[in-house]
Amino acid sequence: QKEVEQDPGPLSVPEGAIVSLNCTYSNSAFQYFMWYRQYSRKGPELLMYTYSSGNKEDGRFTAQVDKSSKYISLFIRDSQPSDSATYLCAIGGANSKLTFGKGITLSVRP
Amino acid sequence: DVKVTQSSRYLVKRTGEKVFLECVQDMDHENMFWYRQDPGLGLRLIYFSYDVKMKEKGDIPEGYSVSREKKERFSLILESASTNQTSMYLCASSLGGFRQPQHFGDGTRLSIL
Repeated sequence: QKEVEQDPGPLSVPEGAIVSLNCTYSNSAFQYFMWYRQYSRKGPELLMYTYSSGNKEDGRFTAQVDKSSKYISLFIRDSQPSDSATYLCAIGGANSKLTFGKGITLSVRP
Repeated sequence: DVKVTQSSRYLVKRTGEKVFLECVQDMDHENMFWYRQDPGLGLRLIYFSYDVKMKEKGDIPEGYSVSREKKERFSLILESASTNQTSMYLCASSLGGFRQPQHFGDGTRLSIL
């Protein structure tokens, strides 16, 4: 089983939709959970960072972590065309480097 | 804001050439990383460094080496470029420890002909 698995996509939604992006992981020692957004021809930029189970909200974005199920999600409310990008989850432990998901490409149609 | 600058956005080299990719960060970060990103394979760690003159192999170090002579600068070297090293190369930096988020440059798209 791979350490971090991410839905491959691509995903296309109409403007205004709620988007759910998901990753699962296998190592129960993982403690830190991040979501990155990568626009075309740019580097990944940090979107959300959390280290506990539960929800963390930032504007239209909510990161959710369920450590018991080893499952993390990123929700985007009222999606906009400017949200069209590739989203990568990244997960790490106190003594281990970050492991990235392969990314999912999201397209929000006007 | 953290700024990670990669010296070239696009680079074309020939097979067998020695290639240098440069990365500079302006936030006094201890850790620096080199990744390559390929479709369907995601981000793969080549090398990282947690201090000046210190380096650790990542998941795919073969065919690469690195140099960190100054804290702010981390170089990736392709000793003898091959076509299978055509890729997007991304540099990142972070504060010390593994829990810190990484900040990325905009990448160098390298083509080896």
